[in-house]
Amino acid sequence: EIVLTQSPGTLSLSPGERATLSCRASQSVSSSYLAWYQQKLGQAPRLLIYGASSRATGIPDRFSGSGSGTDFTLTITRLEPEDFAVYYCQQYGTSPFTFGPGTKVDIK
Amino acid sequence: QLQLQESGPRLVKTSETLSLTCTVSGGSINRSSYYWGWIRQSPGKGLEWIGNMYYSGTANYNPSLKSRVTISVDPSKNQFSLKLNSVTAADTAVYYCARHYSGYGWVDPWGQGTLVTVSS
Repeated sequence: EIVLTQSPGTLSLSPGERATLSCRASQSVSSSYLAWYQQKLGQAPRLLIYGASSRATGIPDRFSGSGSGTDFTLTITRLEPEDFAVYYCQQYGTSPFTFGPGTKVDIK
Repeated sequence: QLQLQESGPRLVKTSETLSLTCTVSGGSINRSSYYWGWIRQSPGKGLEWIGNMYYSGTANYNPSLKSRVTISVDPSKNQFSLKLNSVTAADTAVYYCARHYSGYGWVDPWGQGTLVTVSS
C-alpha cells in the first residue's frame, strides 16, 4: 500500500497570501495518478486537481498542482476567505487507493 | 448536474451488516468510463477507500476490507449499494458514495455523506 504523507499538518496564513502544500508518497505514483481535494467542515471533499496538475471543472486558476514520482505540491496563489479548509491528496494509480492525512489551512 | 445521495440505517449493531444505498440523479449510472464506489472517513483512520464497481459488475476492493464488503450496481434504479458485514466499532464512520473516473480514477462528485455508528 502506498502511504501518503502531507506537510505541514497545519498552515496558518492570511487572505491574499500564497499557500504551498506538500504530498509525499512512500513509492512512485503510477502515471502521476494523484488528486487533490478540499474539504470544509461538515461537507464532503471536493475535487480540485487530478492527474497531478489538471484542474477540475469550475476550479479557479489560483489552484495549481505539480509534481511527479513521489513528490507533489498544491499551490494556492492568493488565498481567498473561502479557501480556508482541509486539503487531502489521494493516489489512484495503485490499489488500494490511498489518501494523505490532510493539511489544514487556517486563518492567521 | 450529477448528484449522489446516501441512504440507509444510521445505527448498526456490532457483528451485523451495514447496508447503504446511493441514489444517482442528473445522469445515468450505466454511462461508460465511470465506476461507482464508496469511501469512508473516521477520526482515527482518516479517508479510507472501500471499493468501486462498473455497472457491468467489474469491481475493485480495498484488500483490507475485501472479505467483508460487497458493492452492487442496479442500473434499472440508477442506484448502487454497499454491504459491510461483521461490523465492529472500528467501522463507525461517515460513509460517502462517489463516482470514480474509471476503475483507477479520481473521485468526483461525492455524496454528502452519512454517519453510521456501530454499537452494541
